[in-house]
Amino acid sequence: EIVLTQSPGTLSLSPGERATLSCRASQSVSSSYLAWYQQKPGQAPRLLIYGASSRATGIPDRFSGSGSGTDFTLTISRLEPEDFAVYYCHQYGSSPFTFGPGTKVDIK
Amino acid sequence: EVQLMESGGDLAQPGGSLRLSCVASGFTFNNYEMNWVRQAPGKGLEWVSYISTSGSTRYYADSVKGRFTISRDNAKNSLYLQMNSLRAGDTAVYYCARVYSSSSGKTIDCWGQGTLVTVSS
Repeated sequence: EIVLTQSPGTLSLSPGERATLSCRASQSVSSSYLAWYQQKPGQAPRLLIYGASSRATGIPDRFSGSGSGTDFTLTISRLEPEDFAVYYCHQYGSSPFTFGPGTKVDIK
Repeated sequence: EVQLMESGGDLAQPGGSLRLSCVASGFTFNNYEMNWVRQAPGKGLEWVSYISTSGSTRYYADSVKGRFTISRDNAKNSLYLQMNSLRAGDTAVYYCARVYSSSSGKTIDCWGQGTLVTVSS
Protein backbone atom coordinates (compact mmCIF):
# COMPACT_ATOMS: atom_id res chain seq x y z
CA GLU A 1 0.00 0.00 0.00
CA ILE A 2 1.24 3.46 -0.92
CA VAL A 3 1.09 5.71 2.14
CA LEU A 4 0.75 9.44 1.47
CA THR A 5 2.03 11.89 4.06
CA GLN A 6 1.04 15.54 3.91
CA SER A 7 2.76 18.48 5.55
CA PRO A 8 2.18 20.66 7.32
CA GLY A 9 -0.94 19.44 9.09
CA THR A 10 -2.18 23.01 9.42
CA LEU A 11 -1.06 26.11 7.55
CA SER A 12 -2.07 29.48 9.01
CA LEU A 13 -1.85 32.24 6.44
CA SER A 14 -3.44 35.54 5.51
CA PRO A 15 -5.35 36.31 2.32
CA GLY A 16 -2.95 37.26 -0.44
CA GLU A 17 -0.16 35.07 0.87
CA ARG A 18 1.33 32.08 -0.93
CA ALA A 19 0.53 28.57 0.29
CA THR A 20 2.83 25.61 -0.35
CA LEU A 21 1.47 22.16 0.54
CA SER A 22 3.55 19.01 0.42
CA CYS A 23 2.60 15.39 -0.28
CA ARG A 24 5.16 12.63 0.08
CA ALA A 25 4.55 9.03 -1.01
CA SER A 26 6.04 5.93 0.60
CA GLN A 27 6.92 4.65 -2.87
CA SER A 28 7.04 6.14 -6.32
CA VAL A 29 3.74 7.27 -7.82
CA SER A 30 3.32 7.89 -11.53
CA SER A 31 2.59 11.57 -12.03
CA SER A 32 -0.41 10.57 -14.12
CA TYR A 33 -2.13 9.27 -11.01
CA LEU A 34 -1.49 12.00 -8.44
CA ALA A 35 -4.33 14.41 -7.69
CA TRP A 36 -5.22 17.18 -5.25
CA TYR A 37 -8.67 17.92 -3.83
CA GLN A 38 -10.14 20.78 -1.85
CA GLN A 39 -12.84 20.15 0.73
CA LYS A 40 -14.88 22.69 2.67
CA PRO A 41 -17.02 21.82 5.72
CA GLY A 42 -20.21 19.98 4.81
CA GLN A 43 -19.23 19.65 1.16
CA ALA A 44 -17.90 16.89 -1.05
CA PRO A 45 -14.27 17.14 -2.18
CA ARG A 46 -13.57 19.10 -5.37
CA LEU A 47 -10.88 18.07 -7.83
CA LEU A 48 -8.24 20.77 -8.25
CA ILE A 49 -5.25 19.09 -9.90
CA TYR A 50 -4.83 15.77 -11.71
CA GLY A 51 -1.84 14.22 -13.39
CA ALA A 52 0.24 16.05 -10.73
CA SER A 53 0.11 19.36 -12.63
CA SER A 54 -3.04 19.65 -14.78
CA ARG A 55 -5.76 21.94 -13.48
CA ALA A 56 -9.28 20.54 -13.51
CA THR A 57 -12.01 22.36 -15.39
CA GLY A 58 -12.89 25.71 -13.86
CA ILE A 59 -9.99 25.78 -11.39
CA PRO A 60 -8.32 29.22 -11.18
CA ASP A 61 -4.72 29.49 -12.30
CA ARG A 62 -3.58 30.53 -8.83
CA PHE A 63 -3.65 26.77 -8.11
CA SER A 64 -0.70 24.81 -9.47
CA GLY A 65 0.73 21.36 -8.92
CA SER A 66 4.20 19.99 -9.39
CA GLY A 67 6.42 17.10 -8.48
CA SER A 68 7.26 13.56 -9.44
CA GLY A 69 8.23 10.22 -7.96
CA THR A 70 7.59 10.50 -4.25
CA ASP A 71 7.39 14.27 -3.73
CA PHE A 72 4.54 16.44 -4.90
CA THR A 73 3.51 20.02 -4.17
CA LEU A 74 0.32 22.04 -4.41
CA THR A 75 0.87 25.79 -4.56
CA ILE A 76 -1.75 28.49 -4.17
CA SER A 77 -0.06 31.62 -5.42
CA ARG A 78 -2.24 34.19 -3.65
CA LEU A 79 -4.83 33.00 -1.17
CA GLU A 80 -8.38 34.18 -1.71
CA PRO A 81 -10.94 34.05 1.16
CA GLU A 82 -12.65 31.06 -0.48
CA ASP A 83 -9.39 29.04 -0.50
CA PHE A 84 -9.37 28.42 3.25
CA ALA A 85 -10.22 24.72 3.39
CA VAL A 86 -8.70 21.25 3.75
CA TYR A 87 -6.57 19.89 0.91
CA TYR A 88 -5.97 16.20 0.20
CA CYS A 89 -3.53 14.51 -2.12
CA HIS A 90 -4.56 11.18 -3.65
CA GLN A 91 -2.91 8.44 -5.67
CA TYR A 92 -4.88 6.40 -8.17
CA GLY A 93 -1.95 4.42 -9.51
CA SER A 94 -2.30 1.21 -7.56
CA SER A 95 -4.94 -0.33 -5.36
CA PRO A 96 -5.62 0.49 -2.58
CA PHE A 97 -6.11 4.01 -3.91
CA THR A 98 -4.97 6.05 -0.94
CA PHE A 99 -5.46 9.60 0.28
CA GLY A 100 -3.17 11.73 2.39
CA PRO A 101 -4.41 12.85 5.82
CA GLY A 102 -4.99 16.40 4.60
CA THR A 103 -3.58 19.87 5.17
CA LYS A 104 -5.88 22.46 6.68
CA VAL A 105 -5.30 25.98 5.41
CA ASP A 106 -6.80 28.41 7.87
CA ILE A 107 -6.88 32.15 8.31
CA LYS A 108 -4.10 33.62 10.40
CA GLU B 1 -24.75 18.55 -15.78
CA VAL B 2 -22.95 15.59 -14.20
CA GLN B 3 -24.76 14.41 -11.08
CA LEU B 4 -24.28 11.56 -8.65
CA MET B 5 -27.01 11.03 -6.09
CA GLU B 6 -26.44 8.61 -3.22
CA SER B 7 -29.10 7.13 -1.00
CA GLY B 8 -29.55 4.35 1.50
CA GLY B 9 -27.60 5.73 4.42
CA ASP B 10 -29.21 5.05 7.78
CA LEU B 11 -28.69 4.02 11.37
CA ALA B 12 -27.72 0.35 11.55
CA GLN B 13 -26.87 -1.96 14.41
CA PRO B 14 -23.43 -3.57 14.72
CA GLY B 15 -23.50 -6.75 12.69
CA GLY B 16 -26.29 -5.42 10.52
CA SER B 17 -26.51 -4.67 6.81
CA LEU B 18 -27.23 -1.72 4.56
CA ARG B 19 -27.29 -1.23 0.80
CA LEU B 20 -26.19 2.08 -0.62
CA SER B 21 -27.24 3.23 -4.07
CA CYS B 22 -25.94 5.93 -6.37
CA VAL B 23 -27.81 7.12 -9.45
CA ALA B 24 -25.77 8.87 -12.12
CA SER B 25 -26.99 11.40 -14.65
CA GLY B 26 -25.54 13.84 -17.14
CA PHE B 27 -22.95 11.44 -18.57
CA THR B 28 -22.68 8.01 -20.18
CA PHE B 29 -22.46 5.92 -17.02
CA ASN B 30 -21.29 2.69 -18.64
CA ASN B 31 -18.16 4.43 -19.96
CA TYR B 32 -16.86 5.30 -16.50
CA GLU B 33 -15.15 3.36 -13.74
CA MET B 34 -16.62 4.12 -10.33
CA ASN B 35 -15.62 4.10 -6.67
CA TRP B 36 -16.97 4.44 -3.18
CA VAL B 37 -15.04 6.69 -0.80
CA ARG B 38 -15.96 7.34 2.82
CA GLN B 39 -15.24 9.96 5.46
CA ALA B 40 -15.72 9.32 9.15
CA PRO B 41 -16.97 12.30 11.17
CA GLY B 42 -14.18 14.85 11.52
CA LYS B 43 -11.70 12.60 9.72
CA GLY B 44 -10.05 12.36 6.32
CA LEU B 45 -11.02 10.57 3.14
CA GLU B 46 -10.76 6.78 2.88
CA TRP B 47 -11.11 4.90 -0.39
CA VAL B 48 -13.45 1.93 -0.01
CA SER B 49 -14.02 0.15 -3.31
CA TYR B 50 -13.60 0.31 -7.11
CA ILE B 51 -15.51 -1.24 -10.00
CA SER B 52 -14.62 -1.31 -13.69
CA THR B 53 -16.98 -0.20 -16.44
CA SER B 54 -18.29 -3.71 -17.05
CA GLY B 55 -18.23 -4.73 -13.41
CA SER B 56 -15.78 -7.53 -14.10
CA THR B 57 -13.00 -6.01 -11.95
CA ARG B 58 -13.51 -4.95 -8.34
CA TYR B 59 -11.11 -3.85 -5.64
CA TYR B 60 -11.65 -3.32 -1.93
CA ALA B 61 -9.86 -1.68 0.96
CA ASP B 62 -8.61 -4.24 3.47
CA SER B 63 -10.88 -2.67 6.09
CA VAL B 64 -14.02 -3.77 4.19
CA LYS B 65 -12.85 -6.81 2.22
CA GLY B 66 -15.15 -9.78 2.74
CA ARG B 67 -17.90 -7.59 4.21
CA PHE B 68 -18.74 -5.09 1.46
CA THR B 69 -19.65 -5.79 -2.17
CA ILE B 70 -19.63 -3.20 -4.94
CA SER B 71 -21.81 -3.67 -8.00
CA ARG B 72 -23.35 -1.68 -10.83
CA ASP B 73 -26.32 -1.82 -13.18
CA ASN B 74 -25.40 0.06 -16.33
CA ALA B 75 -28.96 -0.19 -17.66
CA LYS B 76 -30.14 1.75 -14.62
CA ASN B 77 -27.13 4.12 -14.43
CA SER B 78 -26.66 2.92 -10.89
CA LEU B 79 -23.84 1.97 -8.54
CA TYR B 80 -24.34 -0.01 -5.35
CA LEU B 81 -22.52 -0.90 -2.16
CA GLN B 82 -23.82 -3.85 -0.14
CA MET B 83 -22.51 -3.50 3.39
CA ASN B 84 -22.69 -6.52 5.71
CA SER B 85 -21.35 -7.23 9.19
CA LEU B 86 -21.28 -3.53 9.92
CA ARG B 87 -19.00 -2.20 12.64
CA ALA B 88 -18.85 1.07 14.55
CA GLY B 89 -15.75 1.94 12.52
CA ASP B 90 -17.87 1.94 9.34
CA THR B 91 -19.69 5.06 10.54
CA ALA B 92 -19.05 7.67 7.87
CA VAL B 93 -20.40 9.69 5.01
CA TYR B 94 -20.16 7.48 1.91
CA TYR B 95 -19.47 9.17 -1.41
CA CYS B 96 -20.08 7.76 -4.86
CA ALA B 97 -17.23 8.92 -7.10
CA ARG B 98 -16.57 8.85 -10.84
CA VAL B 99 -13.19 8.20 -12.46
CA TYR B 100 -11.88 10.56 -15.11
CA SER B 101 -9.30 9.38 -17.63
CA SER B 102 -7.34 11.48 -20.08
CA SER B 103 -3.94 11.58 -21.70
CA SER B 104 -2.75 13.66 -18.74
CA GLY B 105 -3.90 11.34 -16.01
CA LYS B 106 -6.57 9.32 -14.28
CA THR B 107 -8.32 10.08 -11.02
CA ILE B 108 -11.64 10.62 -9.28
CA ASP B 109 -13.15 13.78 -10.74
CA CYS B 110 -16.74 13.92 -9.60
CA TRP B 111 -18.37 13.17 -6.26
CA GLY B 112 -21.92 12.84 -5.03
CA GLN B 113 -23.16 14.75 -2.01
CA GLY B 114 -22.72 11.70 0.22
CA THR B 115 -24.99 9.56 2.37
CA LEU B 116 -24.47 9.09 6.10
CA VAL B 117 -24.13 5.61 7.58
CA THR B 118 -24.19 5.38 11.36
CA VAL B 119 -23.45 2.07 13.05
CA SER B 120 -24.51 2.05 16.67
CA SER B 121 -26.56 0.03 19.13
